[in-house]
This record gives sequence, structure tokens and C-alpha cells, in this order.
Amino acid sequence: NAGVMQNPRHLVRRRGQEARLRCSPMKGHSHVYWYRQLPEEGLKFMVYLQKENIIDESGMPKERFSAEFPKEGPSILRIQQVVRGDSAAYFCASSPRNSPLHFGNGTRLTVT
Amino acid sequence: DAKTTQPNSMESNEEEPVHLPCNHSTISGTDYIHWYRQLPSQGPEYVIHGLTSNVNNRMASLAIAEDRKSSTLILHRATLRDAAVYYCILRKETSGSRLTFGEGTQLTVNP
Repeated sequence: NAGVMQNPRHLVRRRGQEARLRCSPMKGHSHVYWYRQLPEEGLKFMVYLQKENIIDESGMPKERFSAEFPKEGPSILRIQQVVRGDSAAYFCASSPRNSPLHFGNGTRLTVT
Repeated sequence: DAKTTQPNSMESNEEEPVHLPCNHSTISGTDYIHWYRQLPSQGPEYVIHGLTSNVNNRMASLAIAEDRKSSTLILHRATLRDAAVYYCILRKETSGSRLTFGEGTQLTVNP
């Protein structure tokens, strides 16, 4: 059973471009979480989704950031009009109901 | 979210046991105690969790104080691969509740 797959592993974007980060949860997992880790800082919760529904987005910046987890396909974290402060590692995790989280190895976004 | 307190850093020698402490004096009755670790350049990895009783698995043991206000993660024989940041997190076992990461403990393992 493959683990949580995130791609791309590294993403470089110029200021003002869009970044799309993908997360394929483990088979059978219907819960997906996104976290951000700024350089030299801790992991910060962004959003929690179940299939087709956003359950908790209390950690999402109010503008430019969105997330989805469609019925078919991976979860997508989308950042519009990226700025240098968006440079970070973005981690996705998945779980079945009421179980520990399994994390991917992240997408490292660099905004130039 | 109830808060946990951990030492910023700890050191250990290879093949010796390591006891990583965590204080959580404001824990509520529905909070489970979770431990995750993050190796360099990787995502966090689940280690162990428990509610009231001590727990053992292939990676570690979790000792929980009787009043549940503190716990200790025990690595029985540290290896160089155990060098990581260890996070003690309280999580309500309601469906899909999030994990709130603190600063964790940076464990250094000396050869």
C-alpha cells in the first residue's frame, strides 16, 4: 500500500504566478489535512477536508489560498498570485476516520 | 486546544534508552496523547498514542502518569536514525480532529 503521495516534490514559481500542489491520500483514506512549515518554524494546520467537503479551514489564509478534495482524484492546494512569503514546505496527511495521520514528504515551494 | 510543554532539545547516546518528557497539565478527559516525529527533510511520522494506560508498539513505549498531566515517550535503544524532532500532541478523538503541533523536542543521538 503506497503512502501519501505529494507532487511535485519541488516547485519554483515567480511572484504573481499560481501554484498547484497535489496530494494523493492512502487507499481507503477519506480525510485529508494540509499543513505548512515555514523555514525554521513549526508545522501549522491549514485545512481539513473529507471527500468533496471542507470541514475545517480555520488555518487557511483568507485570500489567495484554496483547497479541494474531489470525489475522484487527488486533493489540490491552490495558491494564486504567489508572494515570497509563501515559500515553505507544504505537507499533506490522510487518515481513515478517527485514526492517526499519515503524512507525505511534502512539496517545497520556492517563490522567486 | 490544550497545550503541551516539552524541552527544546535532548541528547542521547546510540544504543541507550531515551526518555522524552511532555507536560500537559490542562488535558481534558477526551484528549488522547499522540506522539509524532519529523526526520530532516521528511513529513511527520506517527509514533504512538494513548489515553490512560501505558502503550507499547514496535517503535516505542508511552508511559502516562496516573493523573494524565504528563507522559513520557521511551525509545528503548536509540539509533542514529532516531535523531528527529519529537512532538507531543493532544488530540480529541472526535472524527477528523486536527493535530496542533508545538515546537517539539530536537533529539540528537551521538554515536
